[in-house]
Amino acid sequence: SYVLTQPPSVSVAPGKTARITCGGNNIGSKSVHWYQQKPGQAPVLVIYYDRDRPSGIPERFSGSNSGNTATLTISRFEAGDEADYYCQVWDSSSDHVVFGGGTKLTVL
Amino acid sequence: EVQLVESGGGLVQPGGSLRLSCAASGFTFSSYWMHWVRQAPGKGLMWVSRINSDGSSTRYADSVKGRFTISRDNAKNTLYLQMNSLRAEDTAVYYCARDRIAAAGFDPWGQGTLVTVSS
Repeated sequence: SYVLTQPPSVSVAPGKTARITCGGNNIGSKSVHWYQQKPGQAPVLVIYYDRDRPSGIPERFSGSNSGNTATLTISRFEAGDEADYYCQVWDSSSDHVVFGGGTKLTVL
Repeated sequence: EVQLVESGGGLVQPGGSLRLSCAASGFTFSSYWMHWVRQAPGKGLMWVSRINSDGSSTRYADSVKGRFTISRDNAKNTLYLQMNSLRAEDTAVYYCARDRIAAAGFDPWGQGTLVTVSS
């Protein structure tokens, strides 16, 4: 089965740029979606199709995907961006949805 | 407003059964694929199952296949998850989520319902 690998934690100072990676075999050939989950809340879609933002998501959130790594980038990091972030793909070979293990993003 | 509201969670003994419901409103439910995703306490997200728009096609994670059944009633705008032969490792918050058109991610998600499997 397809596996997505994320770093367990990332820390960033306010105003700086946070980057969260999502590794998978030839993930660049798949569409990657990203979710933000704050404590006690349901996940929220922040990036779809590698780099598109749903309405209401700040432009500070962006994404890229190439080769074996997809990346979620949050520029001008704010304390309110602290959350768990998950990447997700659809594995066509199994017709299953796959989530990464999640990354806890915290302020330095 | 697009909304999903889960219900039916609770405490159940190992080997028992439970049926979760997810009431949808604010959109044409019958046009969308739907999913169940769960999250064990302190753990990450795990996809459980999905169903297509008319209910004719379903898929399951290997860990629940043969024990869980996803279904929907488009006349009632409701998604279901029948869970049988429950195990301690099924303990989790269960979310329903709408699959955006053309598989563009899950949005929105319900608030979740907690299932606890314990004697």
